[in-house]
Amino acid sequence: DARVTQTPRDKVTEMGQEVTMRCQPILGHNTVFWYRQTMMQGLELLAYFRNRAPLDDSGMPKDRFSAEMPDATLATLKIQPSEPRDSAVYFCASGLAGSGYTFGSGTRLTVV
Amino acid sequence: GQNIDQPTEMTATEGAIVQINCTYQTSGFNGLFWYQQHAGEAPTFLSYNVLDGLEEKGRFSSFLSRSKGYSYLLLKELQMKDSASYLCAVRGDDYKLSFGAGTTVTVRA
Repeated sequence: DARVTQTPRDKVTEMGQEVTMRCQPILGHNTVFWYRQTMMQGLELLAYFRNRAPLDDSGMPKDRFSAEMPDATLATLKIQPSEPRDSAVYFCASGLAGSGYTFGSGTRLTVV
Repeated sequence: GQNIDQPTEMTATEGAIVQINCTYQTSGFNGLFWYQQHAGEAPTFLSYNVLDGLEEKGRFSSFLSRSKGYSYLLLKELQMKDSASYLCAVRGDDYKLSFGAGTTVTVRA
């Protein structure tokens, strides 16, 4: 089965450090999402891309978060500097218009 | 923007039927999705409705009424493994996919 691959699976870092999360969408999928999930907030949309172009990143704190899609096989989410409140599970999902979206296994981020 | 409401929790007995309702208010509509998420895992796609009516997939069915801004997910012949969170999500005209807070379903023996 085709799947969305996210790395790393788990990340523990100190406050102030830079964190980069990577996502390899399913080949051929033209829409890629980044979500953050916490117990309190549920699934929050951070940013999404269509045909590699960023469509909306209004859910991201712009001063510290950035999302890019340098090519069709890689999406990145970067946090600099990281803060304890960024601790969450970050999911990437990919899909095509008119079908369901597939989620990756997520990156569990802990900022201490 | 999107406003998506679903109940927080539901409990049912093994073998029974449970219906999870979802209401939404949206500035644009391009499909409604249901996902299942087990604790500690990623959401997995269950169903997709873009036209009014019922979509059936084995033990799971999903219904949509666009005029009422309403959908439900029907789980039949409940099994213990169906204990999970069920997420309703709406896709807007801009292809943005927004999620409700999720409904935790607990199946009891």
